[in-house]
Amino acid sequence: EVQLVESGGGLVKPGGSLRLSCAASGFTFSSYSMNWVRQAPGKGLEWVSSISSSSSYIYYADSVKGRFTISRDNAKNSLYLQMNSLRAEDTAVYYCARDLDGYPSGMDVWGQGTTVTVSS
Amino acid sequence: QSALTQPASVSGSPGQSITISCTGTSSDVGGYNYVSWYQQHPGKAPKLMIYEVSNRPSGVPDRFSGSKSGNTASLTISGLQAEDEADYYCSSYTSSSTVVFGGGTKLTVL
Repeated sequence: EVQLVESGGGLVKPGGSLRLSCAASGFTFSSYSMNWVRQAPGKGLEWVSSISSSSSYIYYADSVKGRFTISRDNAKNSLYLQMNSLRAEDTAVYYCARDLDGYPSGMDVWGQGTTVTVSS
Repeated sequence: QSALTQPASVSGSPGQSITISCTGTSSDVGGYNYVSWYQQHPGKAPKLMIYEVSNRPSGVPDRFSGSKSGNTASLTISGLQAEDEADYYCSSYTSSSTVVFGGGTKLTVL
């Protein structure tokens, strides 16, 4: 079964850091570009970042550029999001998602999400 | 990058057809054939319904179709069913090499 499972969410104070992980299974992870997408409580979807299959191409939303870092370890079938200088507005459910046929074709497999809460 | 513009809500009766619009600019929707549509039920992860403007992933019913004209993309659902009631989001690739989503549309099946 094709599956993505996020972990690492939690409660963090403003200015703090958190590292999210996404474990992939059931497909050849190294062949797909991957994304992080977030959804603030009661709000819509917001694309956060994308990384190509070999990590050669990385893109960020302006709202997180300079604070968040996306990375992947193809040997471990894992995707990561290092989040620094967190703000209240970063509070959201964070989803990892696979690109169907390369970036930016469309995200066809999604995890269940991990919740990040930034609050003092 | 501003979010794409979608109507906040649409509604229709079972069996009817509805269309959800997604308006952007020549720097996103109008400039690329990388428009996707996602369905999201409450408390669930989004599901890809349409990719590259008009393509359906395997398993998505052919009641769902996508199109684009100029800077506006559209999702049409024909033969509305109760289980289609959900939030729908469009997304597009942009000239900044990023992805932008629409604000979302709540579909109510009357």
